[in-house]
Amino acid sequence: DAGVIQSPRHEVTEMGQEVTLRCKPISGHDYLFWYRQTMMRGLELLIYFNNNVPIDDSGMPEDRFSAKMPNASFSTLKIQPSEPRDSAVYFCASSPDNLLAGGPPTGELFFGEGSRLTVL
Amino acid sequence: AQSVAQPEDQVNVAEGNPLTVKCTYSVSGNPYLFWYVQYPNRGLQFLLKYITGDNLVKGSYGFEAEFNKSQTSFHLKKPSALVSDSALYFCAVYSSASKIIFGSGTRLSIRP
Repeated sequence: DAGVIQSPRHEVTEMGQEVTLRCKPISGHDYLFWYRQTMMRGLELLIYFNNNVPIDDSGMPEDRFSAKMPNASFSTLKIQPSEPRDSAVYFCASSPDNLLAGGPPTGELFFGEGSRLTVL
Repeated sequence: AQSVAQPEDQVNVAEGNPLTVKCTYSVSGNPYLFWYVQYPNRGLQFLLKYITGDNLVKGSYGFEAEFNKSQTSFHLKKPSALVSDSALYFCAVYSSASKIIFGSGTRLSIRP
């Protein structure tokens, strides 16, 4: 498997523009996570999906952020309109954990290489 | 709420010396704890985990971690550091419903 694939790797845009980040999880993984990493705030969980359904979006900063997972192999994180404070590295991660199987989680998240967003 | 704390922003060690990266946790219920490593311009990589059983957990690249329930700690260790171990290390805890919460990270720098 190629691992978690994110695109674009780098994005530079101007304030007010729409930004769409894309993620292809590892096939067979039931969970998909979006994280944001900044120097000031570290690694923050924005939202995660289980079987394509959003489970917890409490980490999404505000209404300008939205995420979708239309099928098991694709997810997007959209920022509209973008602001300079959104500049960060955005990571997508997937996990094979299946709570329905019971027992403790594997805890193994597989991260993509990240999308570095710069909003001018 | 589940949380982890990494008290050191940076740890500096000479190559060949043992290293320790500290982590303390706060959980309700059984702690499920993890360590991840991030190399420059890369995503995080899983190193090791503690779920249950032996307090000394062995992981990738010669790393191990010691779970200490009385001190609520889960320190990452390696007997002999390599320059290639220089990276950012994150301690993490499993929260409810498949959420994994990461600490603030510790930058490990190994000097030749």
